[in-house]
Amino acid sequence: AQSVAQPEDQVNVAEGNPLTVKCTYSVSGNPYLFWYVQYPNRGLQFLLKYITGDNLVKGSYGFEAEFNKSQTSFHLKKPSALVSDSALYFCAVRAGMDSNYQLIWGAGTKLIIKP
Amino acid sequence: EAQVTQNPRYLITVTGKKLTVTCSQNMNHEYMSWYRQDPGLGLRQIYYSMNVEVTDKGDVPEGYKVSRKEKRNFPLILESPSPNQTSLYFCASSLTVHSGNTIYFGEGSWLTVV
Repeated sequence: AQSVAQPEDQVNVAEGNPLTVKCTYSVSGNPYLFWYVQYPNRGLQFLLKYITGDNLVKGSYGFEAEFNKSQTSFHLKKPSALVSDSALYFCAVRAGMDSNYQLIWGAGTKLIIKP
Repeated sequence: EAQVTQNPRYLITVTGKKLTVTCSQNMNHEYMSWYRQDPGLGLRQIYYSMNVEVTDKGDVPEGYKVSRKEKRNFPLILESPSPNQTSLYFCASSLTVHSGNTIYFGEGSWLTVV
């Protein structure tokens, strides 16, 4: 079965420290992976995606993610966290044609950056 | 500005009173979908549409209807809302259903059914 796991409900990081939000996936075929961020009372905003090519993908707001095929992971990272990064983060993988290209979502990870 | 617009943003309604949540996108996207977001459950897809007059069920379609008469609009219809449909709803669109296309989301519609 195709799935996405975000193993941490919440991640706490001090401002200025590096942050990692974890995501692992299970999908048949080539994975198309996405990260979205949701600020309070707002819609989901696209951060970055991996389609093919370089395993390190750079996105909005200084975020990046590393695709690791052997570990089936796509962890979101940022070298130096800001308080304004506090939000809910979702990882998603696009299924293939046999699943009508449905986006499969993780449950979300709440990121809290403390001053 | 490229965007997905949904209305209303906030609604409190009573059980059984039909309601429609509208969704419109100005990006000429073929693919549109509706999600609901509930605490601890993440995003679950209700219905999607690959193009005009082409719609299909997602993971949680019960109690909902959709239509896609025009490319830009994809309304979500609750014929007889029940309290278990209290949720945050998102409309989304992408250029096509191709795996690499980014999906764009509306701001969300908070629906409470009492």
